[in-house]
Amino acid sequence: EDQVTQSPEALRLQEGESSSLNCSYTVSGLRGLFWYRQDPGKGPEFLFTLYSAGEEKEKERLKATLTKKESFLHITAPKPEDSATYLCAVQANPGNTPLVFGKGTRLSVIA
Amino acid sequence: DAGITQSPRHKVTETGTPVTLRCHQTENHRYMYWYRQDPGHGLRLIHYSYGVKDTDKGEVSDGYSVSRSKTEDFLLTLESATSSQTSVYFCAISSTGGGETQYFGPGTRLLVL
Repeated sequence: EDQVTQSPEALRLQEGESSSLNCSYTVSGLRGLFWYRQDPGKGPEFLFTLYSAGEEKEKERLKATLTKKESFLHITAPKPEDSATYLCAVQANPGNTPLVFGKGTRLSVIA
Repeated sequence: DAGITQSPRHKVTETGTPVTLRCHQTENHRYMYWYRQDPGHGLRLIHYSYGVKDTDKGEVSDGYSVSRSKTEDFLLTLESATSSQTSVYFCAISSTGGGETQYFGPGTRLLVL
């Protein structure tokens, strides 16, 4: 059974204090790994898709990396506006299988 | 932002009544999905569609039905609402099903009394 575990459940950072969020996954064959950001009362907002081990993608203060067993979302010098819940999801091969989501990491960045 | 709207955005209903939620897209994407999000569970797939009149069940499909008569609209029906169906419901779309990013709507908050 495909599984996604995100850690920590919640993370509190001071503004400027860099850290990483973890997404561990178990899947028969990885088609893609997805990172989303979700603000309270809103739908998930797409951040990144990673397809193969060693792949990295960046957007502003965020950088996502992928290994064969886990993905990290690195947050460099976070700002209060980075506060949100970050969701990780995987899709297994063959294509068209449903996404499996983790429960998310709730990030709070304090000024 | 992907052109996805959901209606209604909020609904309060009573146990035993039927409820229909609507998802409308302007992107002409082939795939559409319905998820529910509950504390402690994350997002779980209810049903999805891979074309007009083509649908399939997800992880938590019991008590739900769907219909897709047009590319742009995907309806989720709770046949007889129960308190366990109190949740936030999200619609998502993708152009293909395999490895393609899913884009989410704003959600519908449903309370079943």
